[in-house]
Amino acid sequence: GENVEQHPSTLSVQEGDSAVIKCTYSDSASNYFPWYKQELGKRPQLIIDIRSNVGEKKDQRIAVTLNKTAKHFSLHITETQPEDSAVYFCAAFKRGGADGLTFGKGTHLIIQP
Amino acid sequence: DAMVIQNPRYQVTQFGKPVTLSCSQTLNHNVMYWYQQKSSQAPKLLFHYYDKDFNNEADTPDNFQSRRPNTSFCFLDIRSPGLGDAAMYLCATSIGDRSDEQFFGPGTRLTVL
Repeated sequence: GENVEQHPSTLSVQEGDSAVIKCTYSDSASNYFPWYKQELGKRPQLIIDIRSNVGEKKDQRIAVTLNKTAKHFSLHITETQPEDSAVYFCAAFKRGGADGLTFGKGTHLIIQP
Repeated sequence: DAMVIQNPRYQVTQFGKPVTLSCSQTLNHNVMYWYQQKSSQAPKLLFHYYDKDFNNEADTPDNFQSRRPNTSFCFLDIRSPGLGDAAMYLCATSIGDRSDEQFFGPGTRLTVL
């Protein structure tokens, strides 16, 4: 089955600086990689996603890169703001058994004012 | 407008007392998923329905069952809840089981006394 590793588990950055979160996956057949932001007690919210036929995708301050050969993908947040503070999960869509998302363990992003 | 609705938002049950959690959607999506998210952990896929076709994750305990009587509704039944089943239960939907965006409901927080 799919296994997704996510690092770091906690990331503290100064407001205005950039944040980078990295994930690796194990199943080369995985073809969809979303990133979710989750605030305490709330549902995961999709912030950006990338499919395996694309190497990079950007949406305003958020970008994701995918290296299929190395089986890793990264989330980049520029010009961080206090409202970016949350837990971020990467995920990979897997097939087999019950098709669905396998999540990384999450990164607690803290934006220091 | 609500798209994926979960009821109740908070559920308290007693050890061993069966409980049912409800999910409904207004998106007319083919796929409905159930994820379990324990405190400070990532969501974990339990099973999903593609239309009426049920797909179970290999390590989902037999204690967890699901029903999907129609396109709009899906239920999670926990036959004999244990203390370890206390968690947030998230329902999600997607158009198909391809690499499609999943839309999450607000979750039901289950407490087992």
